[in-house]
Amino acid sequence: QVQLVQSGAEVKQPGSSVKVSCKVSGGTFSSYTFSWVRQAPGQGLEWMARIIPILDMSKYAQKFRGRVTVTADKSTTTAYLELSSLTSEDTAVYYCARKVSGSYYFDYWGQGTLVTVPS
Amino acid sequence: QSALTQPASVSGSPGQSITISCTGTSSDIGGYDYVSWYQQYPGKAPKLMISEVSNRPSGVSNRFSGSKSGNTASLTISGLQAEDEADYYCCSYTSSGTVGFGGGTKVTVL
Repeated sequence: QVQLVQSGAEVKQPGSSVKVSCKVSGGTFSSYTFSWVRQAPGQGLEWMARIIPILDMSKYAQKFRGRVTVTADKSTTTAYLELSSLTSEDTAVYYCARKVSGSYYFDYWGQGTLVTVPS
Repeated sequence: QSALTQPASVSGSPGQSITISCTGTSSDIGGYDYVSWYQQYPGKAPKLMISEVSNRPSGVSNRFSGSKSGNTASLTISGLQAEDEADYYCCSYTSSGTVGFGGGTKVTVL
């Protein structure tokens, strides 16, 4: 049974950074790509970045380039998202999602992590 | 501003069929058969409903179907039920190697 379990909610000050983790169990971690998708309050889904653990290769949405870093630890089967220079506009629920190799859809999602940045 | 365009809301009575459209460009929907659809209840994570334009994952009701014509993809829900009331998002691979989502459609069962 595949599960993606994310770290808990965070409250961060403007200008600081946050690091969210996504522990993956079930399946073969290195056989998949993991993406990060965020959802601001009352808004839609926004793709941010992805990482291919077996290649240690990442790709970022233009909007977040330079401010986001995604990494993966194969030994602990955990993916990470780090977002820096936080502003109130980064207040959102952040989801990790597993992408099937050879295609572009997300078959399993984490439960989401709320990051709050007070204005 | 979302990469793909969806209607903000669609409604229907129980038992009816509804269709949600998702319009993109030749650089995303029109160029690849990598359109997927997700259902999301308030406060919950999205759930995959359709992959690769029209494939239904195991466990998803056959009342859900997907299609594509040109730069527009569609999700049809037939035999609408109260439990179908949720937000629905389309998603497509893009020529820049990234992924784009639609703005979401709120489905209301009257």
